[in-house]
Amino acid sequence: DAGITQSPRHKVTETGTPVTLRCHQTENHRYMYWYRQDPGHGLRLIHYSYGVKDTDKGEVSDGYSVSRSKTEDFLLTLESATSSQTSVYFCAIRTERGEAFFGQGTRLTVV
Amino acid sequence: AQSVTQPDIHITVSEGASLELRCNYSYGATPYLFWYVQSPGQGLQLLLKYFSGDTLVQGIKGFEAEFKRSQSSFNLRKPSVHWSDAAEYFCAVGAPYNTDKLIFGTGTRLQVFP
Repeated sequence: DAGITQSPRHKVTETGTPVTLRCHQTENHRYMYWYRQDPGHGLRLIHYSYGVKDTDKGEVSDGYSVSRSKTEDFLLTLESATSSQTSVYFCAIRTERGEAFFGQGTRLTVV
Repeated sequence: AQSVTQPDIHITVSEGASLELRCNYSYGATPYLFWYVQSPGQGLQLLLKYFSGDTLVQGIKGFEAEFKRSQSSFNLRKPSVHWSDAAEYFCAVGAPYNTDKLIFGTGTRLQVFP
């Protein structure tokens, strides 16, 4: 499973509150990604990182920010959660060969 | 722009029957192609991948996929489906030598009847 741990695994939060999801990897991969998964949409890329302090936006980045201060950790922050951000969030790493491996996901509910 | 289309949202097969899940992609050159499987409540597991070379690739759990450049397709097949294959399957495309993005299709949910 490429040593990927997501935390928390489940979270319920109120509209307007900040939320941070954490992705931790143990194998020193350079590339890390945050996706959200919603019915009918598959997985959509939120943000990705190609190294410490190097990040870029994906296709659905509005309302999200990320940080990567260490190789092993990639944080996703919802500055002010909205109900439309209720989703399952997956972190992934990609190897230098191009294969992606995923964490177990975080189910976030915004009420 | 890269895109992936999985035209079948939901497929139902009987156990023991053969299976083919369709995937079409849009990309300017030969991309990296992947199939992932997701069981309920789980993350995505890599089934197989195509980078280059032999266009028929073998994966885990008895799955195979064939890359057809002329049809921009990468269909997933299994000769005999088991009940445990019931899951959601995602096709994905990425640019060669470029690990910045992996684009996913919307998935095909497979249901298996005994």
